[in-house]
Amino acid sequence: AQTVTQSQPEMSVQEAETVTLSCTYDTSESNYYLFWYKQPPSRQMILVIRQEAYKQQNATENRFSVNFQKAAKSFSLKISDSQLGDTAMYFCAFGSDQGAQKLVFGQGTRLTINP
Amino acid sequence: DAGVIQSPRHEVTEMGQEVTLRCKPISGHNSLFWYRQTMMRGLELLIYFNNNVPIDDSGMPEDRFSAKMPNASFSTLKIQPSEPRDSAVYFCASRPTPNTEAFFGQGTRLTVV
Repeated sequence: AQTVTQSQPEMSVQEAETVTLSCTYDTSESNYYLFWYKQPPSRQMILVIRQEAYKQQNATENRFSVNFQKAAKSFSLKISDSQLGDTAMYFCAFGSDQGAQKLVFGQGTRLTINP
Repeated sequence: DAGVIQSPRHEVTEMGQEVTLRCKPISGHNSLFWYRQTMMRGLELLIYFNNNVPIDDSGMPEDRFSAKMPNASFSTLKIQPSEPRDSAVYFCASRPTPNTEAFFGQGTRLTVV
């Protein structure tokens, strides 16, 4: 079964700094999809960025980028020039492309951006 | 599209009572997920439907939990009887195809006293 691990329960940085959130996963599949979701205090789950495992190029969305290391099964999220509005829970998720095609989430990292 | 719609937003019930949570997925989405979010366990996948058929219910905690999807536009998650440890936020999510992201509803905050 696929598992997703986020080893940092909480992180805190100053506004405008760069922060990296860690995520590792375990799978025997060769093709799959990885996601980062943001959950602000409003509770709404918002997609931040998406990566297909067959693509070697790391995905980027404005200030958000990922470091995808397929061999190491690592998928970290980098937030550049952090803003107060980035304060939220961040969840890493694994999407299977085979079998039951489940979408499994990590435990989450609570990120606080301080003024 | 209005997005994934869940009801109610909040539910407070007494231990032993039956609780039914409802979800309307985005039209045209073939997959539907029910998740439970707690501080201790994060986001747990409870059950997953594809084309209205339950594909994986291995995350359903025990027989007190059941889920149905009678048609493509409606799903329910029922807890009977409810217990205080069931208190959590329950999310419904849908997606059009397996290689896309899931879209989440606003969640139902359940409190069992």
